[in-house]
This record gives sequence, C-alpha cells and structure tokens, in this order.
Amino acid sequence: NAGVTQTPKFQVLKTGQSMTLQCAQDMNHEYMSWYRQDPGMGLRLIHYSVGAGITDQGEVPNGYNVSRSTTEDFPLRLLSAAPSQTSVYFCASSWDRGNTEAFFGQGTRLTVV
Amino acid sequence: DQQVKQNSPSLSVQEGRISILNCDYTNSMFDYFLWYKKYPAEGPTFLISISSIKDKNEDGRFTVFLNKSAKHLSLHIVPSQPGDSAVYFCAAKEYGNKLVFGAGTILRVKS
Repeated sequence: NAGVTQTPKFQVLKTGQSMTLQCAQDMNHEYMSWYRQDPGMGLRLIHYSVGAGITDQGEVPNGYNVSRSTTEDFPLRLLSAAPSQTSVYFCASSWDRGNTEAFFGQGTRLTVV
Repeated sequence: DQQVKQNSPSLSVQEGRISILNCDYTNSMFDYFLWYKKYPAEGPTFLISISSIKDKNEDGRFTVFLNKSAKHLSLHIVPSQPGDSAVYFCAAKEYGNKLVFGAGTILRVKS
C-alpha cells in the first residue's frame, strides 16, 4: 500500500527558479492538502482541495499555486522560489472534511539559496 | 494568532513512567482533536483522536483527555517506551474545515 507519495524527497533551488512538488494518493480520498513545517511553528496549511477541480487557500498561500485535475494528484507549484520558502513540505489526504484523520506523505525538504 | 498551542517545546521522561503532553486551544468551534507522532525524516502519523462529545479516549498505552470548559487536552502515554521518542503534534478541526496544528512537543524517553 503506497498511501501518500511525495516526490522529490530533497531539492535545492536557486532564488527565482520554479518547481513543482508532486503528491499522489491511492486511497481515493476526496480531501488533500499541503503543509509546510518550520521550527517552532508546527505545520501550517498552504492550500487544500475538497475534490477534483476544487482548491482553496490555507493559512500561508502566498508564493504557491495548486491544481487538482484528478482525485489522485495534488501538485504544489512554486513559481519563483524565495529563501523564505526553505522548509519541509508535507502533503496529506483524508476521506473527507469530517471527523477523520489525515494521512501524510514522507515530506520534501526544500532549500532555496 | 495561534489557535492551537503546545507550550512545552520538549519533555524528558524515564522509561516506564508516564508521559503527559499538553495542548490548549482558543477556538470554541473546534469539535475534533487529534494527536500525531513524527519521527525524523518521516511524515506525521496519526496516533489517537477525540470528538468534542467525549472527554476521554483510550487506545492501548495512549489516552487522550479533553476538558472543553478549559479548552485543554492532554495525551498520556503509560508506560513510556524509548520508541515513543518523537515529536508529538496536537491538531484540531471544525467540521468541514481544515486541520490546525500546534508547534509540537519533542518527547525523549530515557532508558
């Protein structure tokens, strides 16, 4: 069982470069989300999606774009990377928005120099 | 303005003793609370949850207590084991809304 798969695991970018963090889940979950983890700040929600074709902003959306063309995939795009986006990124999915737990991927450690 | 607060950045406990991790929240609309455990270089994994209609939920060595009037929940681990050493995140949710996480508490269980 793959669960939630994130690629790549590590990435170094130069300021101004763009890239896409990939996230795929094989559990047929409706709800998917992206978080970033920074020291002392826990996990902060970037963007989320309640189903294919529907996305919305979380707590810290600036500098990131998302799309949800299929149930399985939820890529996160950085259009012009900045050092402030150095972080560990986690993708998560869950059955719905109700009282269910979210399953997380293993994370992508991104460094912007 | 943090809606979910874990005021202890770290906790050190002797193997076999009880570990108590605390979490406070400010949003009275939260109706579901979860604890996640995270090892280095891995994603968070779900540990235990509790609905706002309950005040206690138990799963093996893990028990979560909810005090709605105080807007406080705690996770008890008894007995603590070295493999429990990890970062523990408290999270809260309004129905139909997203998860809000605390900053995490690093638990070290000494053998």
